[in-house]
Amino acid sequence: LAKITQPISMDSYEGQEVNITCSHNNIATNDYITWYQQFPSQGPRFIIQGYKTKVTNEVASLFIPADRKSSTLSLPRVSLSDTAVYYCLVGEGSGGYNKLIFGAGTRLAVHP
Amino acid sequence: NAGVTQTPKFRVLKTGQSMTLLCAQDMNHEYMYWYRQDPGMGLRLIHYSVGEGTTAKGEVPDGYNVSRLKKQNFLLGLESAAPSQTSVYFCATHRAQSRVYGYTFGSGTRLTVV
Repeated sequence: LAKITQPISMDSYEGQEVNITCSHNNIATNDYITWYQQFPSQGPRFIIQGYKTKVTNEVASLFIPADRKSSTLSLPRVSLSDTAVYYCLVGEGSGGYNKLIFGAGTRLAVHP
Repeated sequence: NAGVTQTPKFRVLKTGQSMTLLCAQDMNHEYMYWYRQDPGMGLRLIHYSVGEGTTAKGEVPDGYNVSRLKKQNFLLGLESAAPSQTSVYFCATHRAQSRVYGYTFGSGTRLTVV
């Protein structure tokens, strides 16, 4: 099973770009990388998912190098409302809990 | 379209009491999960179900039981609550093929066992 490591916390300011890197050295061939966002008193919310190279949606970008042993979630021009915990998950995109692992999460604080 | 609804949202139990948490989804998803989240920690899987009438153990199943008699409902039971089960419980669902859409989580049930 892939062991996931991500920073415990990060601080940023409004308008800045934030990059959160997740390490997953033992990622398997069939594993996808998924990021979730969690606000206090709410369940996690899907942000983005990728397998390799770069994925972009209206919320974020996900950069995955060729060896796939790490990934970087990029949040462009953050605002105060982006203050949340961000989880990096590694597992088969087609489901199967036993290969879906939650990291401890990165607590992002965005300051005025 | 409510998505994933968890009831109750809050509950305080005395040690030894029992209770059932309900997760209801209206998205016709096959997979359903129960997670617990403790302060400063990620989510840990308790039990899961891949379809109506099927359940399986997750990472931390001891002290919990589950049932999935209907596709839209997944129940989590605590037969004899212990203080160690004080936590926030989240239900999650996804379609059988979730490569694009990921999991949908409920808003959680905050349980305190005194």
